[in-house]
Amino acid sequence: QQQVKQSPQSLIVQKGGISIINCAYENTAFDYFPWYQQFPGKGPALLIAIRPDVSEKKEGRFTISFNKSAKQFSLHIMDSQPGDSATYFCAAHSGGYNKLIFGAGTRLAVHP
Amino acid sequence: EPEVTQTPSHQVTQMGQEVILRCVPISNHLYFYWYRQILGQKVEFLVSFYNNEISEKSEIFDDQFSVERPDGSNFTLKIRSTKLEDSAMYFCASRKGTSSYEQYFGPGTRLTVT
Repeated sequence: QQQVKQSPQSLIVQKGGISIINCAYENTAFDYFPWYQQFPGKGPALLIAIRPDVSEKKEGRFTISFNKSAKQFSLHIMDSQPGDSATYFCAAHSGGYNKLIFGAGTRLAVHP
Repeated sequence: EPEVTQTPSHQVTQMGQEVILRCVPISNHLYFYWYRQILGQKVEFLVSFYNNEISEKSEIFDDQFSVERPDGSNFTLKIRSTKLEDSAMYFCASRKGTSSYEQYFGPGTRLTVT
């Protein structure tokens, strides 16, 4: 119940295309869902986050879509750029557990 | 922009030795965390710390691990007797307060146990 399942494991997108990464969870106590971007050798950087009372959040080229009934959320990267090539992690937070539970990560490669 | 800092960036130690990993969280943050990431794998929670005590710890965080906030700025993770399987990236994170869930991560310390 504490898992967050992330797919795909890796993704190749052409420059200008849309990258879509999906996550699913079971625990309805999760109350905050962030996405992190990680470049090799660096720490995870908070990209965008959503709370379950909202179905969509957009910040620039990055959008989170959230489906509470299906217990799924996804990250959409519009107009993907080579600089977006990184590993993306979804995560979930449960206030009672005071920690982030991470998905397995998606390695995105954006080809020029 | 304030950021979490960690030292050292890379630590090499022999099995059985003690190591201390150091972190300086963002100054007005109240919650502190340690996570680890084994090469190529996901980020795993180790421990959370609030109000000068551990609020939660994972199964990984056994008696060999301890955390401390020795002063108003540093947050440390100590591994008493390192094992080969402790080799990983260790990330410190901090969070502002109860109503703000954003956790900001440091650049990490790569621990190599030989």
